[in-house]
Amino acid sequence: NAGVTQTPKFRILKIGQSMTLQCAQDMNHNYMYWYRQDPGMGLKLIYYSVGAGITDKGEVPNGYNVSRSTTEDFPLRLELAAPSQTSVYFCASSYSPLGEGNQPQHFGDGTRLSIL
Amino acid sequence: AQKVTQAQTEISVVEKEDVTLDCVYETRDTTYYLFWYKQPPSGELVFLIRRNSFDEQNEISGRYSWNFQKSTSSFNFTITASQVVDSAVYFCALSEGYAGNNRKLIWGLGTSLAVNP
Repeated sequence: NAGVTQTPKFRILKIGQSMTLQCAQDMNHNYMYWYRQDPGMGLKLIYYSVGAGITDKGEVPNGYNVSRSTTEDFPLRLELAAPSQTSVYFCASSYSPLGEGNQPQHFGDGTRLSIL
Repeated sequence: AQKVTQAQTEISVVEKEDVTLDCVYETRDTTYYLFWYKQPPSGELVFLIRRNSFDEQNEISGRYSWNFQKSTSSFNFTITASQVVDSAVYFCALSEGYAGNNRKLIWGLGTSLAVNP
């Protein structure tokens, strides 16, 4: 059972570079989320998606873009990397809207990103 | 506005002690959901419990128990007879009230628990 798979696990970028963080889930979940976790802080929602072709902004969307062309994949794009984007990024998915049903949010193992 | 406060930044206990992690939330919604997640040193996030606002029954799962009190807007988490493997950061989170598909989680800052042998 793969669950939620994030790649890469670690990455170092130079300021101004761009990259895509990959996220894939094999549970046929409609709902997917991207969070960032800064040192000593809780998670902040960047973007989320309620289904293929539908995305929406979370708390901290600036500097990021997402797409959801398939149910399985929800990549997060950084266009012009900035030091403030140094963080650990978590992708998550859920079967139903958060809180409904007995299905929790499933998280990937995270991507540790450093911008130098 | 929704808010989750975990006042305890760090807690250190000796193995076999009981420990309670506090969580206080703010919301104007009558329907909401509360969660606890565990983040061990390896970094992954592990779901522990979900509770909806209409169910104030306390829950026990092995050494873990949760006390939900709407009167004080608290959803505290107790570990009985703590073990070294319980060392982790624990997050409390609140789901905004019903808004169709647009429900999101508001996270506390986490409590870092160290259980020493």
